[in-house]
Amino acid sequence: GQQVMQIPQYQHVQEGEDFTTYCNSSTTLSNIQWYKQRPGGHPVFLIQLVKSGEVKKQKRLTFQFGEAKKNSSLHITATQTTDVGTYFCAEPNNDMRFGAGTRLTVKP
Amino acid sequence: DAGVIQSPRHEVTEMGQEVTLRCKPISGHDYLFWYRQTMMRGLELLIYFNNNVPIDDSGMPEDRFSAKMPNASFSTLKIQPSEPRDSAVYFCASHFSGQPQHFGDGTRLSIL
Repeated sequence: GQQVMQIPQYQHVQEGEDFTTYCNSSTTLSNIQWYKQRPGGHPVFLIQLVKSGEVKKQKRLTFQFGEAKKNSSLHITATQTTDVGTYFCAEPNNDMRFGAGTRLTVKP
Repeated sequence: DAGVIQSPRHEVTEMGQEVTLRCKPISGHDYLFWYRQTMMRGLELLIYFNNNVPIDDSGMPEDRFSAKMPNASFSTLKIQPSEPRDSAVYFCASHFSGQPQHFGDGTRLSIL
């Protein structure tokens, strides 16, 4: 299965700064899911995007799906220490595979 | 809803020993996945089942790894013989088709 490419691999920010992670695919995605894994934990589902150009918000988190459905982004406004973790995108086809993830660390 | 249940949570064993990891998916879910996570390789898909049938095992590292799903409520991942490079966190996840995956807490495996 085609794996989505995710960047950056790591991101370290000062608390209060914004953060963005990107997923890109060479092929059109049917839809895309985002997960968060806290240190020592397991991936937990955040959201699913289905429509071209879709934008969804969860408090300080904004998720976007590209017009061509080949890319997606997760933006966190004014990061907090509770945002620490690894954020994964995944294409929920039958052979569901995850991007490499972006590990976010936040300095208080 | 008890969630996906994995056992054991931690396993430490010597190389050459057989290791069996267990997973109970969420009741009614028709897909079950096994993943391996390491710092170097990230989250790797090993194998997945649909309605208890293995669909894609191309991610299984080698013949030392095998997975079974004898019924809808139980799956095992077995490593025989184990090697130090198999040390990782192994996750089981289940879901309904097209729906979000639910992960277990994982098994942290250390092969000495």
